[in-house]
Amino acid sequence: SQKIEQNSEALNIQEGKTATLTCNYTNYSPAYLQWYRQDPGRGPVFLLLIRENEKEKRKERLKVTFDTTLKQSLFHITASQPADSATYLCAPTSGGSYIPTFGRGTSLIVHP
Amino acid sequence: GAGVSQSPSNKVTEKGKDVELRCDPISGHTALYWYRQSLGQGLEFLIYFQGNSAPDKSGLPSDRFSAERTGGSVSTLTIQRTQQEDSAVYLCASSLVGSSGANVLTFGAGSRLTVL
Repeated sequence: SQKIEQNSEALNIQEGKTATLTCNYTNYSPAYLQWYRQDPGRGPVFLLLIRENEKEKRKERLKVTFDTTLKQSLFHITASQPADSATYLCAPTSGGSYIPTFGRGTSLIVHP
Repeated sequence: GAGVSQSPSNKVTEKGKDVELRCDPISGHTALYWYRQSLGQGLEFLIYFQGNSAPDKSGLPSDRFSAERTGGSVSTLTIQRTQQEDSAVYLCASSLVGSSGANVLTFGAGSRLTVL
């Protein structure tokens, strides 16, 4: 069955550093992969989408990579700020499917 | 509306009671989803509506769960004879399914259900 793995342990980093979050998946080949941010008590908010034929995507301080050979996506936040503290969810989705499947998310804590 | 609206935001009920959760999606969004998120868990897919097509109910955990979408807009998720394990945050999302095939979801804030 499809499996999505994100680090269950919180990632603690100092303000100004680059945060790197990992999303690994097995037993399927997603056509695209999304990253969402979730704050406590709120629904997830879409951040970035990357397709299988794209190696990298950037948006302001955010960068996503997608390695279909390693079955892995990396999500980077450069010059991190305390306001970036949240849980980040990845959602690799198979082609032809309109139902994103989400990982459990990784909590990021940026210390001032 | 400007975003996805869900009500109630919080619901406390007794075991065995029925509950209804409502979702008002973004106007014009043809697709509507219900997910469930338990404490410390990921998002569990429940049901998906797309236009006038039959809904994909493959994620509903039992026949106590049902959902409908009236007029292609507002949706109601109904849980009958609630159990304590139904306690979770129920998230609704909507999207505009485009020709690109990629589906970006806009979520509501969720309805937190507590079954005593």
